[in-house]
Amino acid sequence: DGGITQSPKYLFRKEGQNVTLSCEQNLNHDAMYWYRQDPGQGLRLIYYSQIVNDFQKGDIAEGYSVSREKKESFPLTVTSAQKNPTAFYLCASIDWSRSNGYTFGSGTRLTVV
Amino acid sequence: AQRVTQPEKLLSVFKGAPVELKCNYSYSGSPELFWYVQYSRQRLQLLLRHISRESIKGFTADLNKGETSFHLKKPFAQEEDSAMYYCALSESSYKLIFGSGTRLLVRP
Repeated sequence: DGGITQSPKYLFRKEGQNVTLSCEQNLNHDAMYWYRQDPGQGLRLIYYSQIVNDFQKGDIAEGYSVSREKKESFPLTVTSAQKNPTAFYLCASIDWSRSNGYTFGSGTRLTVV
Repeated sequence: AQRVTQPEKLLSVFKGAPVELKCNYSYSGSPELFWYVQYSRQRLQLLLRHISRESIKGFTADLNKGETSFHLKKPFAQEEDSAMYYCALSESSYKLIFGSGTRLLVRP
């Protein structure tokens, strides 16, 4: 059953810690994306990657970092520089034909304690 | 700059009433527009896209380039339509830009 898997579902972080959110897809999709979802603000793009070993900043990249060493994986690190990290994070992917639209993961809820 | 605006945070209608969720966009090129839906406890999923010009679950959306709008419509709302709806614009770089979303509540 193909899809996108995000883990963990819930994540708690202490002030000053870096945490990494996992996103894995077995859809053979080329492009992958990270979004942040906050109430009343919709989804905002953090980073995206169109091919392996390449990625670009989205609208709110400050305090985040990513890597794309494999086509299947696009992990997101929330660093201590991110001032307000508590949010719901969504990963998505798409193939070049875009025939089926973007596929989304089930999300990770990050809470700073 | 590219922007998607959904002016209503909440839209409440009675079952059987018509529904129109508004979406306006600003984009200098030829955009590709989508509607995504998120039902309670489910993943965000594609509802429809303007290039396919299809009707999904009774919903339709027409791209109006003159008014830069892509409103989502359904003639008779059902309770199972209650969900969060997002309008989104895709530009040539494959970035997907979302509106802030509209929560549709269909009351019995």
